[in-house]
Amino acid sequence: AQSVAQPEDQVNVAEGNPLTVKCTYSVSGNPYLFWYVQYPNRGLQFLLKYITGDNLVKGSYGFEAEFNKSQTSFHLKKPSALVSDSALYFCAVRERSGGYNKLIFGAGTRLAVHP
Amino acid sequence: DTGVSQDPRHKITKRGQNVTFRCDPISEHNRLYWYRQTLGQGPEFLTYFQNEAQLEKSRLLSDRFSAERPKGSFSTLEIQRTEQGDSAMYLCASSLPEGGVEKLFFGSGTQLSVL
Repeated sequence: AQSVAQPEDQVNVAEGNPLTVKCTYSVSGNPYLFWYVQYPNRGLQFLLKYITGDNLVKGSYGFEAEFNKSQTSFHLKKPSALVSDSALYFCAVRERSGGYNKLIFGAGTRLAVHP
Repeated sequence: DTGVSQDPRHKITKRGQNVTFRCDPISEHNRLYWYRQTLGQGPEFLTYFQNEAQLEKSRLLSDRFSAERPKGSFSTLEIQRTEQGDSAMYLCASSLPEGGVEKLFFGSGTQLSVL
């Protein structure tokens, strides 16, 4: 069965410092991977996706993610964190069958950026 | 507002009552999904519609749950004889295939509390 794991419940970072939110996956075959962000009282918002091609994927709000097949990881990164980046971040993998976005989400990582 | 709308935002009900939630997707989106999110967890897939056809139901959806999407526009999710374990955030998402792996647009969710 396909799954993703987010090993950190919370990540704390100072404003202006680089941030990394970790995600590892377990799939058979090539994965379709996603990052979504959830702000309080709002729905999940798409940040970026990896389907194929370049291992470094650029997304919204200055975020990027690096796909590493040998380590089965898809870590989310940003060179310089903002206080407004504080939110709940979810990594997800798409089920291979069906051809639609049946996503399997990780448990989420809360990012806290301190001034 | 051209996003995904969900109504109500909050629902408090007593165990054994029936509840119905509504989702209005982005108008041109032909794919609609329902997910459920409990505290401290990532969203879990419940069901998927392509236009008016319900193409997949998760095993999480017991016989007490039913979803419809008449005319391929808005969707409703009904829970009959609610149980305390049904308490969760119910999220709706829509998408439009773009010739690849599309991103989901989520609504803000309906928070259900079963007393």
